[in-house]
Amino acid sequence: NAGVTQTPKFQVLKTGQSMTLQCAQDMNHNSMYWYRQDPGMGLRLIYYSASEGTTDKGEVPNGYNVSRLNKREFSLRLESAAPSQTSVYFCASSEVFTKNTEAFFGQGTRLTVV
Amino acid sequence: QQQVKQSPQSLIVQKGGISIINCAYENTAFDYFPWYQQFPGKGPALLIAIRPDVSEKKEGRFTISFNKSAKQFSLHIMDSQPGDSATYFCAARGYGGSQGNLIFGKGTKLSVKP
Repeated sequence: NAGVTQTPKFQVLKTGQSMTLQCAQDMNHNSMYWYRQDPGMGLRLIYYSASEGTTDKGEVPNGYNVSRLNKREFSLRLESAAPSQTSVYFCASSEVFTKNTEAFFGQGTRLTVV
Repeated sequence: QQQVKQSPQSLIVQKGGISIINCAYENTAFDYFPWYQQFPGKGPALLIAIRPDVSEKKEGRFTISFNKSAKQFSLHIMDSQPGDSATYFCAARGYGGSQGNLIFGKGTKLSVKP
């Protein structure tokens, strides 16, 4: 049971380059999320998809776009990477977008923008 | 904006001791309070969660204490072990719209010394 799978695990980009972080879950979950984790800042929500076909901004959406490709997959795109986007990115999923649903996290993508 | 305040930022405890991590929130619409545990290089994983209709929940050596009137909740780790060394995040979630998302504290890095 893979759970939430993120690719790649590590990436180095030059300023201005673009890339897409991929996320897939095999738990038939309806809701998916992208977070970034920075030292001393905890986990901050970038975008979320409450259900297939919907996406909404979270706390820190600037510089990012997302696509809910299907129920399993939720990708995060950086159109023009900046050093401030150096971070560890986590994808998560939950069964439904309700109050008592556990969120399952992937292993993370460590992104460095130089 | 930070709606969940977590302290301390780091904690060192001797093996067998009690680890205590505190969180406070402001939004009275929050009604689900999970704690996540994260080991280096891994994604966060749910440890234990509580709803505000109970004042305490215990699972093995881990206990959440909840004070609704003070809008505070805490994690107690009894008989702390070196294997408990990790970063712990408290979180809160409301219901409906953007409040359905988890809001995380900034994390506490726990080190348990043998």
